[in-house]
Amino acid sequence: AQRVTQPEKLLSVFKGAPVELKCNYSYSGSPELFWYVQYSRQRLQLLLRHISRESIKGFTADLNKGETSFHLKKPFAQEEDSAMYYCALSGRRTGFQKLVFGTGTRLLVSP
Amino acid sequence: SQTIHQWPATLVQPVGSPLSLECTVEGTSNPNLYWYRQAAGRGLQLLFYSVGIGQISSEVPQNLSASRPQDRQFILSSKKLLLSDSGFYLCAWSGLLDGLSGNTIYFGEGSWLTVV
Repeated sequence: AQRVTQPEKLLSVFKGAPVELKCNYSYSGSPELFWYVQYSRQRLQLLLRHISRESIKGFTADLNKGETSFHLKKPFAQEEDSAMYYCALSGRRTGFQKLVFGTGTRLLVSP
Repeated sequence: SQTIHQWPATLVQPVGSPLSLECTVEGTSNPNLYWYRQAAGRGLQLLFYSVGIGQISSEVPQNLSASRPQDRQFILSSKKLLLSDSGFYLCAWSGLLDGLSGNTIYFGEGSWLTVV
């Protein structure tokens, strides 16, 4: 079964501080991992996916299969990063694969 | 470009009344369609998904049902609402856009349902 765990409900940091949002997963096959973000009054949207190996808005996330983790990191947090962040997992196979989300972490960046 | 719309944005319904939330996708064909419920402390729970017209898969037993009468239309329904049906409902779609995977999901604006 697919499972995603985000242990922190709330992460509060000061502007300029480093940020790490934790995500651990459980999946027997080859996973595909995503981070979604929901800013205040906006729809939930894709932030980044591990397969693209990209940095979006200064955020990066590396898939660690040994630790089954996909933590989201940013070296210097900005106030506009305050939002709800969801980690998500899908199976990496051909055909339809449903996406399973974690419970989310609210990031609050204070000035 | 692809867009997704769902309505109504907010809804207040009495217990025992019916429900119909609608969702449409434009700019793509044969999308995978989803209904999620977002609850505080529970994250995003997948309720239903559909890979084609008339094909509905239910993820959790509940008081709700879903239908897909057209390729780009997805409807969430209930015959008799319960208080526990209150929540934020999200419609979403996915499709093979970039050749890497069809698993990137795009969400609608969401619908707040309050059952009183």
